[in-house]
Amino acid sequence: GENVEQHPSTLSVQEGDSAVIKCTYSDSASNYFPWYKQELGKRPQLIIDIRSNVGEKKDQRIAVTLNKTAKHFSLHITETQPEDSAVYFCAAKWGGGADGLTFGKGTHLIIQP
Amino acid sequence: KAGVTQTPRYLIKTRGQQVTLSCSPISGHRSVSWYQQTPGQGLQFLFEYFSETQRNKGNFPGRFSGRQFSNSRSEMNVSTLELGDSALYLCASSAGQGINTEAFFGQGTRLTVV
Repeated sequence: GENVEQHPSTLSVQEGDSAVIKCTYSDSASNYFPWYKQELGKRPQLIIDIRSNVGEKKDQRIAVTLNKTAKHFSLHITETQPEDSAVYFCAAKWGGGADGLTFGKGTHLIIQP
Repeated sequence: KAGVTQTPRYLIKTRGQQVTLSCSPISGHRSVSWYQQTPGQGLQFLFEYFSETQRNKGNFPGRFSGRQFSNSRSEMNVSTLELGDSALYLCASSAGQGINTEAFFGQGTRLTVV
C-alpha cells in the first residue's frame, strides 16, 4: 500500500518568512495529493490539492509543487502570519481507487512574532 | 450548504463495551470514509463507503465495522472496546470516486475508553 513520509515534524519560522513542508510517497499510481490544516481542537481543513497532471498550483500565499519522477510534493507558505500556526498534513491517494487517503504524520508549524 | 456532521462529539466508554458513531455527509456526497486520529499514529484510514457498499478497509481489526444507509449517512461501530481505541474518529465525505476526490472532514467524535 501507499506510504507517505512528511518532514519536518516541527517547523518554527519568523512571521513574514516562508515555510516549506515536504512529503514523499511510495505508490507511483497515486495521482491526488491534498494538504490539510488542522488547528488545535478543530477538524482538518483542505487548503490546497494537486493532481498528477500538473506540476504546481498556487492559491494566494499557498502553493504546492509536485515532482512525479521523484515522488515528492511540497507545500510552500509565503509571508507567514500568526493564523498560519497549525498542524499541516499531506496525503496521497489514487483517485480512481477506494483506499482512502494515506496521510503523513503532520508538521507542527509555529509562527514566531 | 451544511458541512459534515458527526455525532456525538464526545463519548466516554468502559473497556469491553461497544460504541456506535454517526456521520452525515455533505448533501449530494455519496462517499464517506472514516479515519482514526491519535497522537502516536496520526491519521489512519479505517474504511470507505460508496452507495451503501464498503469499498475498502484499512488495517484495523474486525472489531471495527461500519455501514452506509441509502441517504449516504454512515455509522461506524467498535465492539469490545480497548483502552487503545481512545482516539478522535473523523469522517470525511466526498462526491465520489474518480476526479472528484476532495474530502471534507467533520468535527470528529472524541472517544475515551476507561
